[in-house]
Amino acid sequence: EVQLVESGGGLVQPGGSLRLSCAASGFTFSDYYMDWVRQAPGKGLEWIGRTRDKAHSYTTEYAASVKGRFTISRDDSKNSLYLQMNSLKIEDTAVYYCARDLAARGGDYWGQGTLVTVSS
Amino acid sequence: DIQMTQSPSSLSASVGDRVTITCRASQGIRNDLGWYQQKPGKAPKRLIYAASSLQSGVPSRFSGSASGTEFTLTISSLQPEDFATYYCLQHDSYPWTFGQGTKVEIK
Repeated sequence: EVQLVESGGGLVQPGGSLRLSCAASGFTFSDYYMDWVRQAPGKGLEWIGRTRDKAHSYTTEYAASVKGRFTISRDDSKNSLYLQMNSLKIEDTAVYYCARDLAARGGDYWGQGTLVTVSS
Repeated sequence: DIQMTQSPSSLSASVGDRVTITCRASQGIRNDLGWYQQKPGKAPKRLIYAASSLQSGVPSRFSGSASGTEFTLTISSLQPEDFATYYCLQHDSYPWTFGQGTKVEIK
């Protein structure tokens, strides 16, 4: 069974940093691109970025709203995806989801989400 | 960036009604579009991929279609479990973009 489990959310002050993790199981993690999506309270979904696989040099793409502040990385040996968030702003407050390759035509897999609250 | 204009933002419907939700892309995105359903407190769930292909396990009352830059999600006969918020997602060009969402409520 495919599982994605996010962790690392919490309360952080504006300007601070936080690192989210997404632990993957039930599939060959190294074979897949991985995505991060967030949802501010009461708002819609926002795609924030993705990482490709080793065959594509682990290259990344980002939304403009997080580019230069957030970094997506992965450790295939640990079946883990990461989102390093720096220079956090109040508007980064959201539930953050990891998902397995949203462009893939196969199964649709998301984590349960982890809440990040940026507040003083 | 590609803008996805989704309409309506909300609608009220009764069980058994036919419901149509539309996303219009600001430029061509081929068929690189998915439709998602989200219930409160839950992760989104994809219903349709590649604009018109039904995700495995999704009831056949859901269907998707495309005409140029206009994409449509249709629920042929609304069921109680379909009351939720629906989003489209274009994954043709970076940055990927979601529509603003359509909340389907009980009339």
